[in-house]
Amino acid sequence: GQQLNQSPQSMFIQEGEDVSMNCTSSSIFNTWLWYKQDPGEGPVLLIALYKAGELTSNGRLTAQFGITRKDSFLNISASIPSDVGIYFCAGQHPPSGGSNYKLTFGKGTLLTVNP
Amino acid sequence: SQTIHQWPATLVQPVGSPLSLECTVEGTSNPNLYWYRQAAGRGLQLLFYSIGIDQISSEVPQNLSASRPQDRQFILSSKKLLLSDSGFYLCAWSVLFAGELFFGEGSRLTVL
Repeated sequence: GQQLNQSPQSMFIQEGEDVSMNCTSSSIFNTWLWYKQDPGEGPVLLIALYKAGELTSNGRLTAQFGITRKDSFLNISASIPSDVGIYFCAGQHPPSGGSNYKLTFGKGTLLTVNP
Repeated sequence: SQTIHQWPATLVQPVGSPLSLECTVEGTSNPNLYWYRQAAGRGLQLLFYSIGIDQISSEVPQNLSASRPQDRQFILSSKKLLLSDSGFYLCAWSVLFAGELFFGEGSRLTVL
């Protein structure tokens, strides 16, 4: 099936530092999504991107939908301890035989923030 | 506003016993519904999805089954659990054809 390459797999940073993570794909997507998962809970949607080149912010978070439609990045500025968790990217394919009902997820980036 | 609930939150079951995890969505109609499993390695594996009542698509062959007896109810079942069925199970919903997926709180299953 389709694969998303998410990197880095994990990050250890100091409070106050900026963070950047990205996802790349061999195929194009119509939608890119970024989720955060706290331990023992379900992932929560952070940012949704619908258009190639789109740059969207949500507080200290900024994400971009790559111009080729095959990549996206998420930046977190001035990290704080509660940013700890697993961040997932996900993409939705263009409509084709039902595949657009499903999202393809990256394997996640585990973020640790040292106070 | 829309909400999603799944239960039980935690389950410890012996090998060979049955399983039933339930998920309900409120505040929307005709949602797409999904069951994912998350093993310790963190990745999210899609198990089943449903675009309507009694319309279930299975993504991977396995020991589990899913049913959707009502528009906003999605059930994950097994007749006989295996050790390898242990994991964190997540129910999710989306608006038909839209990309945004919203997850429930998760159910932690441990098979002993």
